[in-house]
Amino acid sequence: DAGVIQSPRHEVTEMGQEVTLRCKPISGHNSLFWYRQTMMRGLELLIYFNNNVPIDDSGMPEDRFSAKMPNASFSTLKIQPSEPRDSAVYFCASSLGTSGSMDEQFFGPGTRLTVL
Amino acid sequence: AQSVTQLDSQVPVFEEAPVELRCNYSSSVSVYLFWYVQYPNQGLQLLLKYLSGSTLVESINGFEAEFNKSQTSFHLRKPSVHISDTAEYFCAVNTGGFKTIFGAGTRLFVKA
Repeated sequence: DAGVIQSPRHEVTEMGQEVTLRCKPISGHNSLFWYRQTMMRGLELLIYFNNNVPIDDSGMPEDRFSAKMPNASFSTLKIQPSEPRDSAVYFCASSLGTSGSMDEQFFGPGTRLTVL
Repeated sequence: AQSVTQLDSQVPVFEEAPVELRCNYSSSVSVYLFWYVQYPNQGLQLLLKYLSGSTLVESINGFEAEFNKSQTSFHLRKPSVHISDTAEYFCAVNTGGFKTIFGAGTRLFVKA
């Protein structure tokens, strides 16, 4: 398996622009997670899906952030409009989702977002 | 609510020396505990996990961690580190459900 795939790997945009980050989870995995990593705040869980349904989005910082999972093999995280403080590395992770708390999470390589 | 505290933000150590990365958690219920490793410019990878049974768990590359319920700790140790162990290490806890709480991370620097 190719693992969790994220695109783009790097994104540089200007303040106010819309940014869309993409994730393809490992085939057969039922849970998907979006995280944000910064030096100041560490690794933060933004949202997670189980069987394509958002279960907990309490970590989404503002209404400017939205996430979708239209099918089992694709998810997007959108920021509109983007701001410089959104600059971070965004990770997507997936897990089998059958054992819940015992499942290992498999992380993608991340998207490094820079908002100028 | 559960929480994870990694007591050291950075740990410098010489090659072939032993190392311990400390992790304490807070929870009133049973926990599942994990250590993940993040190499530069990569995502996190599972290093080892404690679910139940033996309190000492090991990874394939020589790391081990011991679950200590009375001290609510899950410290990570390696008797002899290599340059290639330089990475950031995250302790994580789950008390049930799909949400895993990660610590702030500890940067391990192995010097020649």
